[in-house]
Amino acid sequence: SQQGEEDPQALSIQEGENATMNCSYKTSINNLQWYRQNSGRGLVHLILIRSNEREKHSGRLRVTLDTSKKSSSLLITASRAADTASYFCATDGSNYKLTFGKGTLLTVNP
Amino acid sequence: DAGVIQSPRHEVTEMGQEVTLRCKPISGHNSLFWYRQTMMRGLELLIYFNNNVPIDDSGMPEDRFSAKMPNASFSTLKIQPSEPRDSAVYFCASSQGTEDTQYFGPGTRLTVL
Repeated sequence: SQQGEEDPQALSIQEGENATMNCSYKTSINNLQWYRQNSGRGLVHLILIRSNEREKHSGRLRVTLDTSKKSSSLLITASRAADTASYFCATDGSNYKLTFGKGTLLTVNP
Repeated sequence: DAGVIQSPRHEVTEMGQEVTLRCKPISGHNSLFWYRQTMMRGLELLIYFNNNVPIDDSGMPEDRFSAKMPNASFSTLKIQPSEPRDSAVYFCASSQGTEDTQYFGPGTRLTVL
């Protein structure tokens, strides 16, 4: 069964706008990770946030984690056409197995 | 650094045939993971190894699936006999430790006719 669930399933924005994707999960976690997948490619790790962290930044990416609500958000600022991809959150529980959501398909229009 | 290497990149086979997918993890990584991705079920963990030992194979769908890791630089995922419902993209990933960032290979797109 899916642990993380992304929302929305699809998001279409204009270049330069910000994109926000959300992830909700059900059980307690050690950390939460965000991955990107370009069409026909493997997943690329973007950022990891630990359960005792609330916010993390990496370049144009900002991730928040609210363990009380069991939710996380990924914000991409000043989006570019090259950001077009599917974005997945992945959670790991006590056994360190990663469980992925079904992803958010982001389309950034030039 | 070559990253995780998978072969073949594409495989088309007929129902009943044996399929072997191969993976070479990043050198120095101790954990290796096999995933399957379909539109219906998303990305599912099939099995993972730590120091060449299978730790959790609870995601392997049935006995037709088997995975081995004879050494630190090579792993195989075998399907015998293959069925059309096995059609999917199979990813291999490796990490330094079980809880560290996983690096994914490009995947093998399997089509079973």
